[in-house]
Amino acid sequence: SQKIEQNSEALNIQEGKTATLTCNYTNYSPAYLQWYRQDPGRGPVFLLLIRENEKEKRKERLKVTFDTTLKQSLFHITASQPADSATYLCALRSNAGNMLTFGGGTRLMVKP
Amino acid sequence: ETGVTQTPRHLVMGMTNKKSLKCEQHLGHNAMYWYKQSAKKPLELMFVYNFKEQTENNSVPSRFSPECPNSSHLFLHLHTLQPEDSALYLCASSRDYSGTYEQYFGPGTRLTVT
Repeated sequence: SQKIEQNSEALNIQEGKTATLTCNYTNYSPAYLQWYRQDPGRGPVFLLLIRENEKEKRKERLKVTFDTTLKQSLFHITASQPADSATYLCALRSNAGNMLTFGGGTRLMVKP
Repeated sequence: ETGVTQTPRHLVMGMTNKKSLKCEQHLGHNAMYWYKQSAKKPLELMFVYNFKEQTENNSVPSRFSPECPNSSHLFLHLHTLQPEDSALYLCASSRDYSGTYEQYFGPGTRLTVT
């Protein structure tokens, strides 16, 4: 069956360090992969989209990589700040349809 | 603000009540979505409307009934709900339903069924 896995345990890091979050998938041929940020009690906010033929995408302090061989995307936040503390969701759109399927999210806590 | 509004923000209803959730987007998008988010579970897609036509119904029980009168408004009509339906209900919109565009989410309606 199709699965999208994100680390359900919270990631705790020190301010100024690079946070790296992982999104693994199985039995998918994703055409697009998206990352969202969600704060408690609020809707997700779009951050980055990466296509299957792209290896890396950057936006300010954010970087996303996409390895279709490893079936994995990594999401990096450099020079992390306490304001980056949130839950980060990855979402895949497969080649088989238009539906976007979300992972369970990883909570990031950046300590000052 | 994301350009997607939802009302009410909080709703408590009994199992025999009928209520409706409302979503409005001011982005000129053609696709609108309802998602359910329960504690400790991933976002679950419920319904998709693309150019006012329902294109996805993700095996949602009939006690949830969507309505899309125009491309800017989306409703979720609720009746005879169960306690396990308590969750955060999120509305989203995107330029179209191709999966190539990002989705913009509203703040959600926190629903409690008693």
